[in-house]
Amino acid sequence: DVKVTQSSRYLVKRTGEKVFLECVQDMDHENMFWYRQDPGLGLRLIYFSYDVKMKEKGDIPEGYSVSREKKERFSLILESASTNQTSMYLCASSSRLAGVSNEQYFGPGTRLTVT
Amino acid sequence: AQSVAQPEDQVNVAEGNPLTVKCTYSVSGNPYLFWYVQYPNRGLQFLLKYITGDNLVKGSYGFEAEFNKSQTSFHLKKPSALVSDSALYFCAVRDIGSSNTGKLIFGQGTTLQVKP
Repeated sequence: DVKVTQSSRYLVKRTGEKVFLECVQDMDHENMFWYRQDPGLGLRLIYFSYDVKMKEKGDIPEGYSVSREKKERFSLILESASTNQTSMYLCASSSRLAGVSNEQYFGPGTRLTVT
Repeated sequence: AQSVAQPEDQVNVAEGNPLTVKCTYSVSGNPYLFWYVQYPNRGLQFLLKYITGDNLVKGSYGFEAEFNKSQTSFHLKKPSALVSDSALYFCAVRDIGSSNTGKLIFGQGTTLQVKP
């Protein structure tokens, strides 16, 4: 059974704190993604990675950074948390093999509240 | 530019009735199309996909979707709705001409409410 896990389901942080969100997948997938989900805005891509140590900005990278030191792990970092980063954060992974249809598999999400 | 539109924020149906959740897309080449479902406080679950071949695609939980190239649509359907189908549904597209980074473009989501 495929699995994407996220380090926390719920997280409360203070403004200005550095926040780490961890994501681990056990499917040997090359691609990994971080989204945030807000009511009425759907899923917005923050960053993605198609290989170890490779990363690309998504649609809303400002205020975030990422790290991918190992294939199975993709971390999202909020350098200095702000209240407008209160959101649901979703991690996903997919295969990069040629001929594979690339559906993404999602983790359960982390609901982050910044006070 | 690639895009996906889900024109309805919410769809309400009675249990036992057929349901349709609409999706239209815009890509420069041929699309890969996906539907996902999200239950409250959970991640997204993959339902079904269209890659090529038969325009009617069958997926999990009795759902199916019809690819219509001329109308650039990929509507999600189910012949008989269940209360447990109540959830948030997302349509997504990837242009198969794009690089194989696996990026998908998601629609805004449609809330399906099935009433007993």
